[in-house]
Amino acid sequence: QKEVEQDPGPLSVPEGAIVSLNCTYSNSAFQYFMWYRQYSRKGPELLMYTYSSGNKEDGRFTAQVDKSSKYISLFIRDSQPSDSATYLCAMTLYNQGGKLIFGQGTELSVKP
Amino acid sequence: GAGVSQSPSNKVTEKGKDVELRCDPISGHTALYWYRQSLGQGLEFLIYFQGNSAPDKSGLPSDRFSAERTGGSVSTLTIQRTQQEDSAVYLCASSSIQIGVAGYTFGSGTRLTVV
Repeated sequence: QKEVEQDPGPLSVPEGAIVSLNCTYSNSAFQYFMWYRQYSRKGPELLMYTYSSGNKEDGRFTAQVDKSSKYISLFIRDSQPSDSATYLCAMTLYNQGGKLIFGQGTELSVKP
Repeated sequence: GAGVSQSPSNKVTEKGKDVELRCDPISGHTALYWYRQSLGQGLEFLIYFQGNSAPDKSGLPSDRFSAERTGGSVSTLTIQRTQQEDSAVYLCASSSIQIGVAGYTFGSGTRLTVV
């Protein structure tokens, strides 16, 4: 079993829909949680970053961390075709030197 | 430079040949990371540098893989006697120790194909 599990999709939604992306993890010691967005043939770019539990909002994006359930989510409101990309969750411990453990990534397509 | 630069962007090599992949991090970033992304897979950690030292090389798949960093800047990932299973996108990232994981910046990667 992988340390971080993420449904690879693909996920297809109409423009304007609310998108929910999720990851589960097995290591309860993880403290830092991130969501990256990766466009085709590009490197991942950091989208959201959360420390420990709770919610964080940035524009149309909301990240949630539920450490009791070992479950993290990314919500995208009013999705746009430009949001079409692969979304990767990542997490780490404070003493790992920044080494990230990634989920497999979910491929999202937003149709006009 | 403004971002993390990787070269070459694409590399096709014959099985059994050696390859070198280069990463030029953001100026001033002390931490440098190598990851591998196979088709349809998430990123797999390979090695991490702090300055010129590699405190964590636990992700290197075999002794055919090695990496070095000189002058606290450019890093080279070398794969000897390449195999078809080495085909993947090799991604480099850098970070400032003050910013840590919140300041991780990836390059666009080197797409390696072993034929």
